[in-house]
Amino acid sequence: QMQIQQWGTGLLKPSETLSLTCTVYGESFSDYDWSWIRQPPGKGLEWIAEINRGGSTTYNPSLTSRVVILEDTSKNQFSLKLSSVTAADTAVYFCASARKDCSGGPCHSTGFEYWGQGTLVTVSS
Amino acid sequence: YELTQPPSVSVSPGQTARITCSGEALPKQYAYWYQQKPGQAPVLVIYKDSERPSGIPERFSGSSSGTTVTLTISGVQAVDEADYYCQSADSTSTYWVFGGGTRLTVL
Repeated sequence: QMQIQQWGTGLLKPSETLSLTCTVYGESFSDYDWSWIRQPPGKGLEWIAEINRGGSTTYNPSLTSRVVILEDTSKNQFSLKLSSVTAADTAVYFCASARKDCSGGPCHSTGFEYWGQGTLVTVSS
Repeated sequence: YELTQPPSVSVSPGQTARITCSGEALPKQYAYWYQQKPGQAPVLVIYKDSERPSGIPERFSGSSSGTTVTLTISGVQAVDEADYYCQSADSTSTYWVFGGGTRLTVL
């Protein structure tokens, strides 16, 4: 059973850079794709970025100019950096994992199966 | 690209709840459904339109028809009261999108 532990700075000032990291325990890091997802207070989920098993990255088009997702396979870790934050970036940030099902043809995600506990990041002057 | 869900659905215990999610790319992209209770991370309840992860009760099912996917909860229980989110990819499989969420209230 996978466990994901996440941590990072919870309070930022406008224009600073958000930095969060997740460490994965219990399963093979290289078998999964890794994503960051956020949820502003009282609002819905927003997907931010993904790094797949091959190390390729994809980003939410609305955030792509400010976001970077990285991995350190030697430490079973992946991280998020979001630059030039504003109050609109205040949210609970989750990391999550997804597997690919490649049986019987093209590969398809099996969904975000495991999630970190979430980190509230507040941007305030 | 957007996925559209009704903001709220209400049902009495034992009845069937149906939550819809609409999007132009859904005929060619799989959909996923998550349950989220206050203060908790979401939980995957349906993947690839209609597959149920291990540990998810059989009363949860999913279906797809054209540009709409539906999460059905049969024999709703009080414990099912939560927010439900659909998720899918854009038409070119470039990025993931979540629906706005539906609050299920058990009367």
